[in-house]
Amino acid sequence: AQSVTQPDIHITVSEGASLELRCNYSYGATPYLFWYVQSPGQGLQLLLKYFSGDTLVQGIKGFEAEFKRSQSSFNLRKPSVHWSDAAEYFCAVASSMDTGRRALTFGSGTRLQVQP
Amino acid sequence: SAVISQKPSRDICQRGTSLTIQCQVDSQVTMMFWYRQQPGQSLTLIATANQGSEATYESGFVIDKFPISRPNLTFSTLTVSNMSPEDSSIYLCSVWSGLYGYTFGSGTRLTVV
Repeated sequence: AQSVTQPDIHITVSEGASLELRCNYSYGATPYLFWYVQSPGQGLQLLLKYFSGDTLVQGIKGFEAEFKRSQSSFNLRKPSVHWSDAAEYFCAVASSMDTGRRALTFGSGTRLQVQP
Repeated sequence: SAVISQKPSRDICQRGTSLTIQCQVDSQVTMMFWYRQQPGQSLTLIATANQGSEATYESGFVIDKFPISRPNLTFSTLTVSNMSPEDSSIYLCSVWSGLYGYTFGSGTRLTVV
């Protein structure tokens, strides 16, 4: 069964500082990988996704993520954080073998706080 | 990508009652997925709904508590039955949108009093 680990429950960074949110997955083959953001009281917004190809994926709002097969990781990065980035971030994995027939599995989330 | 209309967006319900949540998709999809997000928690899959067959429930979720209807390829409902305060959560539906990945409804924020 697939699983996702987000080891950091809560991260605080200063505005303008760089950010890296960690995500490790467990899956037998190459998975489909996603990062979502959820602001307080809001729905889920897709930041970026990885299906195949280039292992460095660019997303919205200046975010990027790198798929590292050897480390089973898909860490999210941003070079300079803005106060509006404060939110909950979820990493998720899906099966590439049963496309669309299985649900996403979510990590426990990382809450990002941005200090002025 | 597919667009999902989810209703209601929020509700406050009395304990012991039931609430039915609807998701309408603007295209035909094989599977629809229902999630629960308890306060301060991540999303947990409740069940997978395939048109024409009974939904498949995840461990810890039962049909009597969360009956699901999937009458056609664009529509599904989730009912939260005999509610208690512990059912206060956000409930979301989701579908696969091909190259766009998974699309989510805007969620139903349920408060049970």
